Amino acid sequence: IAGITQAPTSQILAAGRRMTLRCTQDMRHNAMYWYRQDLGLGLRLIHYSNTAGTTGKGEVPDGYSVSRANTDDFPLTLASAVPSQTSVYFCASSYRDTGEQFFGPGTRLTVL
Amino acid sequence: GQNIDQPTEMTATEGAIVQINCTYQTSGFNGLFWYQQHAGEAPTFLSYNVLDGLEEKGRFSSFLSRSKGYSYLLLKELQMKDSASYLCAVRDSNYQLIWGAGTKLIIKP
Repeated sequence: IAGITQAPTSQILAAGRRMTLRCTQDMRHNAMYWYRQDLGLGLRLIHYSNTAGTTGKGEVPDGYSVSRANTDDFPLTLASAVPSQTSVYFCASSYRDTGEQFFGPGTRLTVL
Repeated sequence: GQNIDQPTEMTATEGAIVQINCTYQTSGFNGLFWYQQHAGEAPTFLSYNVLDGLEEKGRFSSFLSRSKGYSYLLLKELQMKDSASYLCAVRDSNYQLIWGAGTKLIIKP
């Protein structure tokens, strides 16, 4: 693994289904983030984790949950998907103090 | 509330210079970032300003005025590959990034 990876690349999901988006980084960054990006809007923070074992809510957390069991992995779960969760999801990581965030390639999610 | 404003779209000619402006109102300030994002790809880091003044990095420069809540990204000697969206983001008092909606830059030959 080089950098930060996400899976799947894209997914079409029926409304009401549960879905987990995966994110893994090998840079030993202590902070990780989940964003969604919608046309005409800036990146919006869903959840973040400043260090393994801790998580926090961002600007748009409703309908999403995260966990941070170790430094490398930061999965995002949609418990019961709704069409308004159709978006491109980016995972990012950083050393907390420097703040420069490195982004994964993104997951394009469509909820029908 | 927190707000980052940047133009939605700009057009420039190959070989020319373009300036993309960003104004911000945030709860606290711990630095301003510029990212480049090509269509269908992830954002990639371009520059970081935390003190007033100009930071130069090759063909790209970024300027910050904290008193005016203002930054710009200057791109010189434009190339077709510079066609992308440019995202302005401010790190607030909670050390979270607040993002603008991005400026789509179209380069014409």
